[in-house]
Amino acid sequence: QSALTQPASVSGSPGQSITISCTGTSSDVGGYNYVSWYQQHPGKAPKLLLYDVDKRPSGVSNRFSGSKSGNTASLTISGLQGEDEADYYCNSYTSSSTWVFGGGTKVTVL
Amino acid sequence: QAQLQQWGAGLLKPSETVSLTCAVHGGSFSGYYWHWIRQPPGKGLEWIGEINDRGTTYYNPSLKSRVTVSLDTSKKQFSLKVNSVTAADTAVYYCVLGLDAFDMWGQGTMVTVSS
Repeated sequence: QSALTQPASVSGSPGQSITISCTGTSSDVGGYNYVSWYQQHPGKAPKLLLYDVDKRPSGVSNRFSGSKSGNTASLTISGLQGEDEADYYCNSYTSSSTWVFGGGTKVTVL
Repeated sequence: QAQLQQWGAGLLKPSETVSLTCAVHGGSFSGYYWHWIRQPPGKGLEWIGEINDRGTTYYNPSLKSRVTVSLDTSKKQFSLKVNSVTAADTAVYYCVLGLDAFDMWGQGTMVTVSS
């Protein structure tokens, strides 16, 4: 299985909104709504941000939102803050009953 | 809420077997999927495999021939074995639980393969 495609890096100024894309195929992102996003700070375990494309677990800020169109899912961070500087990974269920991650996107707050 | 605690040997030689165990403290043990995910130094996340409470397993095709995930419901533990390791298996290994996403993560175990 091939990794989902994410941009290597995205940057923005405090208060701005940024969007991270996650492109797969009809066998993963396009075929299922089991798309999730994770935030990882250096030296820490990843943290679930969104699941089922656009659902937020309890305690996750509503500044994080998700969507999907065709084979591409997106994570939007609005009102960018310094604490949002981290690596972000998307993940999708696949038609082979497996799971596949994106390569990760480094978010820099300018 | 459940917490995950994992342990296992951190330094191995090539051709040896990685053996890691994850215990669930608090919360429900049933009704979830139990995953192992790894992250090589400076690289991204890689899903290794999963087991559900019926004992059904699924594995990453790239690792399937070398990986075994097992479950001990009486101890509320699940385990990972990766055999015939090489330097490419050097990574932080995480145990994770979830349903349709990876909800809760263990603290991670650094596994280094070196001669």
